Amino acid sequence: AQSVTQLGSHVSVSEGALVLLRCNYSSSVPPYLFWYVQYPNQGLQLLLKYTTGATLVKGINGFEAEFKKSETSFHLTKPSAHMSDAAEYFCAVSDQMESTLTFGKGTMLLVSP
Amino acid sequence: EAGVTQFPSHSVIEKGQTVTLRCDPISGHDNLYWYRRVMGKEIKFLLHFVKESKQDESGMPNNRFLAERTGGTYSTLKVQPAELEDSGVYFCASSQDLWGRKTQYFGPGTRLLVL
Repeated sequence: AQSVTQLGSHVSVSEGALVLLRCNYSSSVPPYLFWYVQYPNQGLQLLLKYTTGATLVKGINGFEAEFKKSETSFHLTKPSAHMSDAAEYFCAVSDQMESTLTFGKGTMLLVSP
Repeated sequence: EAGVTQFPSHSVIEKGQTVTLRCDPISGHDNLYWYRRVMGKEIKFLLHFVKESKQDESGMPNNRFLAERTGGTYSTLKVQPAELEDSGVYFCASSQDLWGRKTQYFGPGTRLLVL
């Protein structure tokens, strides 16, 4: 069975500061990893995904994530936070055998001026 | 191209009543998924259609939930009778291909409150 752990239900940063949202997964087969974002009153939007190939994945809005197999991690980063980044972020895992997504509990990112 | 749409956006019903949620996937997407997020918890898988067939319904909580996908197009999720613990946000997603690497596109969700 797969599982996803997101450390911190809430993360607060100042505008312009580094954003780091942590995600660890467990999977018995090579995983596919995703980050989704949910802005207030909107649906889930894909930020980026890792399936195979390059372990550093770049997404939309300046976000990127690195797949580290040895650490079973897929942390999301952005060098400089913007007020518009305030949202809830979800890490998810699937694999080549199962297409359904297993989500973490989500991390609410708060950005202060 | 239109995204995944869901109707209604909000629903407030009393315990024991019936509610039907609808999802229209992206045109041409054979795969349709239902997920649910109960307050304070993670988003959890409910079931997966490939065209009109149920590929996986292992996440359906009990037999009060009935999902259909008429003609492989839109899908409905009926809750009958609704219980308090059914409150949450119900998301629908669709994808073009079966395998996990294909992106699932999510709708805005239906917020269900059972009183």
